[in-house]
Amino acid sequence: DADVTQTPRNRITKTGKRIMLECSQTKGHDRMYWYRQDPGLGLRLIYYSFDVKDINKGEISDGYSVSRQAQAKFSLSLESAIPNQTALYFCATGLAGTDTQYFGPGTRLTVL
Amino acid sequence: SQKIEQNSEALNIQEGKTATLTCNYTNYSPAYLQWYRQDPGRGPVFLLLIRENEKEKRKERLKVTFDTTLKQSLFHITASQPADSATYLCALESGGGADGLTFGKGTHLIIQP
Repeated sequence: DADVTQTPRNRITKTGKRIMLECSQTKGHDRMYWYRQDPGLGLRLIYYSFDVKDINKGEISDGYSVSRQAQAKFSLSLESAIPNQTALYFCATGLAGTDTQYFGPGTRLTVL
Repeated sequence: SQKIEQNSEALNIQEGKTATLTCNYTNYSPAYLQWYRQDPGRGPVFLLLIRENEKEKRKERLKVTFDTTLKQSLFHITASQPADSATYLCALESGGGADGLTFGKGTHLIIQP
């Protein structure tokens, strides 16, 4: 987990606030991903990026945006947070070819 | 689209026995399949990858099989220990032109002393 870091680790915010979750990696991987995990729903892909100039929507991108500032940094923003965005958010890096993924420790976000 | 099924009910196994978890998939023939372990509140950790042309893969006490005819993978933990208690996720290529992996919802394994 130390190769992929996420900040903050926990965040409580109010409806309508703008929130940014940050992810940094030292693995040197080109591929980076953002997922959310909810009880009973498993991991769901929000956005992914295969290099600095490549951003792609995942299964559930509505209400989210991302920025790939550098190969090592990939940020997720909630422009106007709503309660159903309360979840555990994971950043991951991936290997080209097999797409084996390496996850960060997660950010627990609560929107009141 | 790709659909992955893992037993959503918790699996209780006595310490020392072999735990066997199942992953079934439909609508696609992936080139490889992966297994991850997830502990509560933590990110998944990659365990094993098996390719379509491999019937079986082993790593220490772990063994994975991949039957492309049945569209099924089995994940075995031999000589199970309480420390093996966790949720285990299988993941496949998303397929259908989509990039990345599609993860199953996972099976919660409990090893009882």
